[in-house]
Amino acid sequence: SQTIHQWPATLVQPVGSPLSLECTVEGTSNPNLYWYRQAAGRGLQLLFYSVGIGQISSEVPQNLSASRPQDRQFILSSKKLLLSDSGFYLCGLRPDNTEAFFGQGTRLTVV
Amino acid sequence: GDSVTQMEGPVTLSEEAFLTINCTYTATGYPSLFWYVQYPGEGLQLLLKATKADDKGSNKGFEATYRKETTSFHLEKGSVQVSDSAVYFCALALLQGAQKLVFGQGTRLTINP
Repeated sequence: SQTIHQWPATLVQPVGSPLSLECTVEGTSNPNLYWYRQAAGRGLQLLFYSVGIGQISSEVPQNLSASRPQDRQFILSSKKLLLSDSGFYLCGLRPDNTEAFFGQGTRLTVV
Repeated sequence: GDSVTQMEGPVTLSEEAFLTINCTYTATGYPSLFWYVQYPGEGLQLLLKATKADDKGSNKGFEATYRKETTSFHLEKGSVQVSDSAVYFCALALLQGAQKLVFGQGTRLTINP
């Protein structure tokens, strides 16, 4: 069965600092991968999705970026964090025409 | 574009009450429909799903029926428990393209003993 490893679980970063959140998956190959953000008290916003290595699609303009250097690795990055980047970040995968699976999430607080 | 609209929360009920959380969708194709649940401080877990019209998904006493004619997928439970307190998300996914999941805004449910 598929598993998703997402880390760190919590992170406190100062404004202007860089960010790197990593997500790795096991038990599947060539899955569609997703990064979502949930701002405090709000719903889930799709940030990026990837259908394969090196293939990234962005859903919303922002100062975040994503990369997929390996089939089972999906990284969310920022060069300079903003206060508005605070939120709960979820990595998801959809291996085929089935439901999506999610990691445990990273709670990011930008101070 | 594809979208999901959920009943606004928060919803507060007493234990053993009947629960309905409304969900309607707009999609260009024939989506699969899902309900996810997020317990405090955790990620999302799939609660139930339906992949075609008239399918009924069920799990842990929750049910939802895929209604193509009303483009709805309402979540119901006959008798809620305190442990059902969580945020519930309705979502759709299309089979074509990148198969993105589109989520509703979430409904926070609190059950009081």
